[in-house]
Amino acid sequence: AQSVTQPDIHITVSEGASLELRCNYSYGATPYLFWYVQSPGQGLQLLLKYFSGDTLVQGIKGFEAEFKRSQSSFNLRKPSVHWSDAAEYFCAVGPGGRRALTFGSGTRLQVQP
Amino acid sequence: DTGVSQNPRHKITKRGQNVTFRCDPISEHNRLYWYRQTLGQGPEFLTYFQNEAQLEKSRLLSDRFSAERPKGSFSTLEIQRTEQGDSAMYLCASSLGRGGRSADTQYFGPGTRLTVL
Repeated sequence: AQSVTQPDIHITVSEGASLELRCNYSYGATPYLFWYVQSPGQGLQLLLKYFSGDTLVQGIKGFEAEFKRSQSSFNLRKPSVHWSDAAEYFCAVGPGGRRALTFGSGTRLQVQP
Repeated sequence: DTGVSQNPRHKITKRGQNVTFRCDPISEHNRLYWYRQTLGQGPEFLTYFQNEAQLEKSRLLSDRFSAERPKGSFSTLEIQRTEQGDSAMYLCASSLGRGGRSADTQYFGPGTRLTVL
């Protein structure tokens, strides 16, 4: 069965500092991987996705993620965090097609001034 | 592209009452998903439609839950005889499926927050 682990429940960074959010997945075949962001009381916004090809993918709002098959990881990075990045971040894995996404439990990001 | 919309945004009900939520997907999207999200957790899959056909249901979807997508456009999720454990955010997503194991992307609505007293 597929699963996603986000080891960090809560992360606090200073504004302007770099950020890395960890995501590890378990899936029997080549996964499709996603990062979504959720602001309080809101739905999920897609940040970026990996389907195939270049393992370093660029997303919106200056985020990027790197797929590492050998480590079963898809970590999200941003070189300089802004106060508006404070939110909850979810990593998800899917087989595509008719199947649903499996989400991690999320990482809450707090940004200090 | 107006995005996925959901109504109502908030619903407070008493235990034992029935509730219905509506989801309007992105207009050309043929696939529609319902997820449930409880506090501090990621969304969990409930059910999936391709056009008007309900193709997959989670074990989370007890017989008190029913979902429809009658004309392959909007969808409704009904919960009968609500329980306090049903309190959660109910999220709808849609995607444009191209058949087989196509790598379609799900776009989420703002969700309906249900509180059962």
